[in-house]
Order: sequence, then structure tokens, then C-alpha cells
Amino acid sequence: QKEVEQDPGPLSVPEGAIVSLNCTYSNSAFQYFMWYRQYSRKGPELLMYTYSSGNKEDGRFTAQVDKSSKYISLFIRDSQPSDSATYLCAMSARRGSNYKLTFGKGTLLTVNP
Amino acid sequence: NAGVTQTPKFQVLKTGQSMTLQCAQDMNHNSMYWYRQDPGMGLRLIYYSASEGTTDKGEVPNGYNVSRLNKREFSLRLESAAPSQTSVYFCASSAPGPSSLDSYSPLHFGNGTRLTVT
Repeated sequence: QKEVEQDPGPLSVPEGAIVSLNCTYSNSAFQYFMWYRQYSRKGPELLMYTYSSGNKEDGRFTAQVDKSSKYISLFIRDSQPSDSATYLCAMSARRGSNYKLTFGKGTLLTVNP
Repeated sequence: NAGVTQTPKFQVLKTGQSMTLQCAQDMNHNSMYWYRQDPGMGLRLIYYSASEGTTDKGEVPNGYNVSRLNKREFSLRLESAAPSQTSVYFCASSAPGPSSLDSYSPLHFGNGTRLTVT
């Protein structure tokens, strides 16, 4: 079993839809959970991060972590065409250890006008 | 503010040729990284440099060498390119980890070098 599994998509939704992106993981030591967004032909950029369990909200985006189920989610409300990108989950067991970051393979999202 | 700058943007090599990918950051970050991104494989760490003067292997270091030239610059060298090294290469940097337990110091990525080895 890979350490991090991410639904590959691709996912295509109409503008205004609620989008749910998910990752599962097997390493119970993971404490830091990140979502990176990558536009076509660009490098990834951090969208949100969560420490340990719980929810975190930032505008239309909500990151959710369920450590008991080893499952993380990113919800996008009122999705816009500008949200069309690849979304990568990433996880780490140690603070400040980006060299120990494990990425999911990414989910390609298209939001249609 | 340029952030992380990678050169070249595109490159085509023949098998056996060598080349160096350049990366520079202007954010005064201590740590720098080289990743490759392949379809269906996600991002994989090739090498990293936690601070100026140090380099360490990541997940897929074979066939590559790196040089941390100074705090700003971190280069990746392919000595004898192979078709399996066809990929998109990303350089990234990050600041030292913040002091609070629940904080995170993110990776800042360049826009990549698209390398094809024929």
C-alpha cells in the first residue's frame, strides 16, 4: 500500500458546484497535512495546511482531516473556472521537514463555465 | 519579487548528453529542493539542501548530482542523460521551520524545466 493515495480524477464539474477532493494515507505519524494547487505549466503553490485533526476554512476552501480514518479532504464551495487546476495533497510527520514531505499524485479538476 | 527562477524552461537532449539545470531563489531561504514530476507518479524528491554547504539524497537520486553554489543557487546536473529522465523538473525553496508546533513553512516552487531525452 502506498503511503498516500489520492483519487486521480480527472474531475469535471459545472461552475458553482461543491467540489470534494480526497486523500487517504497509511502512516499514522503524519501530523501536517497540506493542499497544493498547480495550474497548468506552473509550479505547485500552497493552498492550505492543517496541523493534526479538524477543519480549517479559508474563504471558499475548507480542509478537513480525520486522523482516525487516515483521510483528508479539501472542499471547494461555489467553484469557479479559475479553480481549474491539479490539486496535490501532501503530508509530513515532522515540523520543518519538507524533505520528508510525501505527495499524492494529484487530482485534475476542471470547472466548466 | 521573482521568487524561484529556473532555467532553461525547455530542453531536448540526446541519450548520453549532459546538462545542468539552474535554480535561484531571492527569498533568503535556507533550504532548497529538486523534484521531478511524472504522469501517474506525482512529485518525487531527487536531492535537497537543508542549508548552504550541505546536500542530501532524496527518493530518486540515481543519475543526478547537485551543487549548492551559495545560499541563492542550487543546480541539478545530469551527467549522462537517459530517456527515463524525461520529466518536468521543479526546484523549490523553504524558510526554516517556524517555532510554533502548529505552523508550517511551505515550499515555494519555480515553474519547472521540461526535459525530453531522446
